Amino acid sequence: QVQLKQWGAGLLKPSETLSLTCGVYGETFRGYFWTWIRQSPGKGLEWIGEIDQTGSTNYNPALRSRITMSVDSIRRQFSLKVNSVTAADTAVYYCARGAIFYGDGRHFDSWGQGTLVGVSS
Amino acid sequence: DIQMTQSPSSLSASVGDRITISCRSSQNIKKYLNWYQQKPGEAPKLLIYAAFTLQSGVPSRFSGSVSETGFTLIITNLQPEDFATYYCQHSYGSPVTFGQGTKVEI
Repeated sequence: QVQLKQWGAGLLKPSETLSLTCGVYGETFRGYFWTWIRQSPGKGLEWIGEIDQTGSTNYNPALRSRITMSVDSIRRQFSLKVNSVTAADTAVYYCARGAIFYGDGRHFDSWGQGTLVGVSS
Repeated sequence: DIQMTQSPSSLSASVGDRITISCRSSQNIKKYLNWYQQKPGEAPKLLIYAAFTLQSGVPSRFSGSVSETGFTLIITNLQPEDFATYYCQHSYGSPVTFGQGTKVEI
């Protein structure tokens, strides 16, 4: 059974870079889309983007200019960076496994424990 | 982006009840619709994908349906552990988006 465990800094100042990593344990790393999702009271659940084991990415256009995702298939880890953070980036950030259905659909069947990231001066 | 609208935003129910939660999309998403349950302090948990396929390990009192008016999550014989917030999510193209949630309270 797969487990996702995430880590990273939880308190940032405006203009700093958010950096989170998610480790995948217990099952294959291949054949899935490794995903970041955030949740804030104001915006609810927001899909940030995804990356596969080859490093191919797909980002939310609303965040594309500020985010970078990377993957280390050997270590079975994937990472998220969001630069130039503001208070609007304050949220709980989750990593998740995106499994495929209907050939191109995604459902998120395993999630990390979440990391509360606060942005404040 | 495709907008997902859930109704109601909250509902009160009792143990043993049958409840329904609706989700409508701003455009046709075929059956690219998933349902999640979230409890306070926890990550969302996948209940149903592809509109009505039950995720492994999820009790059969949860089910999904599709109609001309949209998608519905049905919970029969509501149990104490079912009091939570429920979200729909489409994956018909990118970006994926979620509904705003429906809180099920006692």
